[in-house]
Amino acid sequence: SYELTQPPSVSVSPGQTVSITCSGEKLGSRYVCWYQQKAGQSPVLVIYQDTKRPPGIPERFSGSNSGNTATLTISGTQIMDEADYYCQAWDSSNVVFGGGTKLTVL
Amino acid sequence: QVQLVQSGAEVKKPGASVKVSCNTFGYTFSGSYIHWVRQAPGQGLEWMGLINPNTGGANYADKFQGRVTMTRDTSIGMAFLDLSRLKSNDTAVYYCAREVDSRGYGRWFDPWGQGTLVTVSS
Repeated sequence: SYELTQPPSVSVSPGQTVSITCSGEKLGSRYVCWYQQKAGQSPVLVIYQDTKRPPGIPERFSGSNSGNTATLTISGTQIMDEADYYCQAWDSSNVVFGGGTKLTVL
Repeated sequence: QVQLVQSGAEVKKPGASVKVSCNTFGYTFSGSYIHWVRQAPGQGLEWMGLINPNTGGANYADKFQGRVTMTRDTSIGMAFLDLSRLKSNDTAVYYCAREVDSRGYGRWFDPWGQGTLVTVSS
């Protein structure tokens, strides 16, 4: 079965840029989306179709996908961005999530 | 405004079944698949399956085959998740989510319901 691998945790200082990776075999040939989940809340879509932001998502969130790795980048990270982030793709007719990355802003 | 509202928390004994509902608002119910995703305490997201509200056809993750049933009632715009033969490790928050299908350019979930905590304990 298809697997997506994310680092368990990443930390960043406020105002800095941070990247969260998601790896999978030939992931660049699939569309990837990203969800943000703050403590005690439901996941929220932050990136879809590899690079697009839904309405209401700040411009500091961006995405890319090439080769075996998709990347979520947050520029000028704010305290409010502290959350768990999950990548997601499709494998045939099944949905696959990465294991999630805990972003700490300190 | 598209919104998914789920039923309240449940406490069940091992071996029992649970039914979680997902009420939809703000869009044409039959036009978008509904997915179910669960999250055990302190763990990541786990996809359970989807239902096509238009046809009632469902696709379940292999792990849940034989134990899960997804249904819908198009007259009231609601989707339902039935999970049987519950075990303690089924304790989790269960989410419904609407699929957005860009017709060949990816599929994603937006929005998600607020989640329903199901606790399985003797």
